[in-house]
Amino acid sequence: EPEVTQTPSHQVTQMGQEVILRCVPISNHLYFYWYRQILGQKVEFLVSFYNNEISEKSEIFDDQFSVERPDGSNFTLKIRSTKLEDSAMYFCASRAPGQGRNGYTFGSGTRLTVV
Amino acid sequence: AQSVTQPDIHITVSEGASLELRCNYSYGATPYLFWYVQSPGQGLQLLLKYFSGDTLVQGIKGFEAEFKRSQSSFNLRKPSVHWSDAAEYFCAVGTYYGQNFVFGPGTRLSVLP
Repeated sequence: EPEVTQTPSHQVTQMGQEVILRCVPISNHLYFYWYRQILGQKVEFLVSFYNNEISEKSEIFDDQFSVERPDGSNFTLKIRSTKLEDSAMYFCASRAPGQGRNGYTFGSGTRLTVV
Repeated sequence: AQSVTQPDIHITVSEGASLELRCNYSYGATPYLFWYVQSPGQGLQLLLKYFSGDTLVQGIKGFEAEFKRSQSSFNLRKPSVHWSDAAEYFCAVGTYYGQNFVFGPGTRLSVLP
């Protein structure tokens, strides 16, 4: 079964540093998402991306965050200057067009630890 | 916009006992409903989904869920829990066009030997 792949699985970074989280969505999917889960809390929507632009973003997704699909296969989340409170598990997801009923396929996540 | 509640933050059951995890949703149209499971430190795995038809849906790992429109519920059940079922369970609601996929707060399941 096709998978969404995320790398790295765990990243430790110093506060103030830039990080890039990488995702390879399923190849025929056109909609891409990032979600965040702070330890012990619910899974929260960050941003959705379609046709090379952001289609929706939450209030969490401030100017420190950006997303990009640089080469037609990867989908990245960049945090420009990390803060301690950015420590969380970050999930990438993708879905095919018109496939709301199939839900999203999630990657296994990247655990980001900001020290 | 849709929303999801899971009234139970933490449930403990004995191995072999039956399980029911509650999920209630709020959405003006017919929702697409999902249950995901997250083992400690792991990603989100889809257990089952409902979007139309038979209101009792079967999923992986012996789980099932029943959609009750009158109660706005989509409770997850398993007749006999195994120790490996200990995990966090998330109910989620989506829409026809796939936007605004929203998770509930999750229910943590502990299994006693």
